[in-house]
Amino acid sequence: EDQVTQSPEALRLQEGESSSLNCSYTVSGLRGLFWYRQDPGKGPEFLFTLYSAGEEKEKERLKATLTKKESFLHITAPKPEDSATYLCAVHYSWGKLQFGAGTQVVVTP
Amino acid sequence: NAGVTQTPKFRILKIGQSMTLQCAQDMNHNYMYWYRQDPGMGLKLIYYSVGAGITDKGEVPNGYNVSRSTTEDFPLRLELAAPSQTSVYFCASSYSGSTEQYFGPGTRLTVT
Repeated sequence: EDQVTQSPEALRLQEGESSSLNCSYTVSGLRGLFWYRQDPGKGPEFLFTLYSAGEEKEKERLKATLTKKESFLHITAPKPEDSATYLCAVHYSWGKLQFGAGTQVVVTP
Repeated sequence: NAGVTQTPKFRILKIGQSMTLQCAQDMNHNYMYWYRQDPGMGLKLIYYSVGAGITDKGEVPNGYNVSRSTTEDFPLRLELAAPSQTSVYFCASSYSGSTEQYFGPGTRLTVT
């Protein structure tokens, strides 16, 4: 069965303390991997799309990378406003995404 | 552009009641989707549409129905609400089946 697993489930960081989130997948025929940010009570907000192993994308303090079996979201020198739940989703069939359960990140001043 | 809008934001239903969740997008996207999000779980696809008049089932379609008569609107109908349908519902849209999806703010539904 196709699966998308995110770890850790929760992460508490001090402001400025860099860390990485993991998204591993067993979906065959990967068509793309998406990262989203979700704030409490809101809908997911698109961050990145990665299509092939070795690809990297960056946006401010966030950097996403992709290998054949997993993706990482690196948060460099996080600030409190980076606190959110980060979701990854694998595009496995035309128009269909399989989402992981998310990593809840809390950054304290 | 308003993006993807959803109404209502919150709703409480009694078991057996029916309701329609509204979703609209103003980005001229062909694809539209309905997901539900339960605590500790990933978003699950309920139904999706690749264009006006065309819909298909997702992973968890039971208890729901959809229609798409226009490019802009994609309502989700709940018939005979059950406690298992208590969830947060998100509508999304995308330009194609391979591009990023844009999400609405969600509808929090409680069935008691």
